Amino acid sequence: EVQLVQSGAEVKKPGESLRISCKGSGYSFTNYWITWVRQMPGKGLEWMGRIDPSDSYINYGPSFQGHVTISVDKSSSTAYLQWSSLKVSDTAMYYCARLNPPAVADPNFDSWGQGTLVTVSS
Amino acid sequence: SYELTQSPSVSVSPGQTASITCSGEKLEDKYVCWYQQKPGQSPVLVIYQNMKRPSGIPERFSGSNSGNTATLTISGTQAMDEADFFCQAWDRNTGVFGGGTKLTVL
Repeated sequence: EVQLVQSGAEVKKPGESLRISCKGSGYSFTNYWITWVRQMPGKGLEWMGRIDPSDSYINYGPSFQGHVTISVDKSSSTAYLQWSSLKVSDTAMYYCARLNPPAVADPNFDSWGQGTLVTVSS
Repeated sequence: SYELTQSPSVSVSPGQTASITCSGEKLEDKYVCWYQQKPGQSPVLVIYQNMKRPSGIPERFSGSNSGNTATLTISGTQAMDEADFFCQAWDRNTGVFGGGTKLTVL
């Protein structure tokens, strides 16, 4: 069974750094891209970016380029999303998802993590 | 940047057919996916490549894509189908979501 398990909820102050994780299991982790999606409170889904775990190639959504960093550790089948300096406006639920099929221009998001709630407040 | 537009809300009576639309420029040239999200839960893929259903998704969910509009149709809508639905497509290696449609079954 394909599973993506995300790290737990975080409460941070503005200016702090943060890294959240997404661990894949039940499939060959390096064969499928991982993507991150933001959902602000009461709002819709926003695509943040994706990473190819086989070579760490990344492309970011225009609204997120320069604001977050996506990375991966193949040895632990884990993808990461990190911030160097959080803002109150980063408060949201963050989901990771697997992109399927691999190596196509328009994959679907076929398996999702349970979400990580990030709260940034002074 | 590419945009997908959805109506904010759709209401349907139990047993009737619900249609949720998603519009975008030359959308028929792209593959559209649909995701269902119930309160407090992660999204679930219900339609991919315009009209295909993943394993485990009921047959009452179907999709189409023509011209500038993709449509998710739920036949014989059940109370359990009440949720937010999001369309999604790719444009120049960028993922794009519609704003979402809240389906109310009443």
